[in-house]
Amino acid sequence: QSALTQPASVSGSPGQSITISCTGTSSDVGSYNLVSWYQQHPDKAPKLMIYEVSKRPSGVSNRFSGSKSGNTASLTISGLQAEDEADYYCCSYAGVSTYVFGTGTKVTVL
Amino acid sequence: EVQLLESGGGLVQPGGSLRLSCAASGITFSSYAMNWVRQAPGKGLEWVSTIGGSGGSTSYTDSVKGRFTISRDNSKSTLYLQMNSLRAEDTAVYYCAKDYYMMSAFDIWGQGTMVTVSS
Repeated sequence: QSALTQPASVSGSPGQSITISCTGTSSDVGSYNLVSWYQQHPDKAPKLMIYEVSKRPSGVSNRFSGSKSGNTASLTISGLQAEDEADYYCCSYAGVSTYVFGTGTKVTVL
Repeated sequence: EVQLLESGGGLVQPGGSLRLSCAASGITFSSYAMNWVRQAPGKGLEWVSTIGGSGGSTSYTDSVKGRFTISRDNSKSTLYLQMNSLRAEDTAVYYCAKDYYMMSAFDIWGQGTMVTVSS
């Protein structure tokens, strides 16, 4: 149950697009289309942003999109806004009712 | 409105026990798997445990197997986490989170309850 690997930090200017990668293994990300992404602002609970690799829950901006290729999933934020500054975590189902989270990425809006 | 409200956190000595609760409202509680996720101070999220809607199936991360027990009382719409033999490395904010559907994601989170294991 090793954590999925994410870059520690990603930054961008307002209006730009950024992409956060999430690398797992053939036992988790590579085996299931059950990758989700969470946004967490300081001292707040996480918020679901993407589920099943690329689906957005109701109410989440279409500036957030997800994709997957092999053992790596990605979250793209387009039209970066100040309110997007937060920590982002990926999560994958890993079989037998278990999950693994990513190491987390701090997004900074310059 | 769907809400999850955790309680039961606090300061406990190494080797001690604590029981966390998570009261749900606004949902048909028994229809959803429920989860515990924790976050150590300044660290990332870590999945801890999952229980099926009926309570018949449970799963745990390796580091808590044999020490933590997840359970639920659907008549009270409440999720529990019994934590025994606590260690310093169990210090974290513990969140309960609702399964979106079919293990797809965690869509509703509580505000979290802090557990501190220290002498």
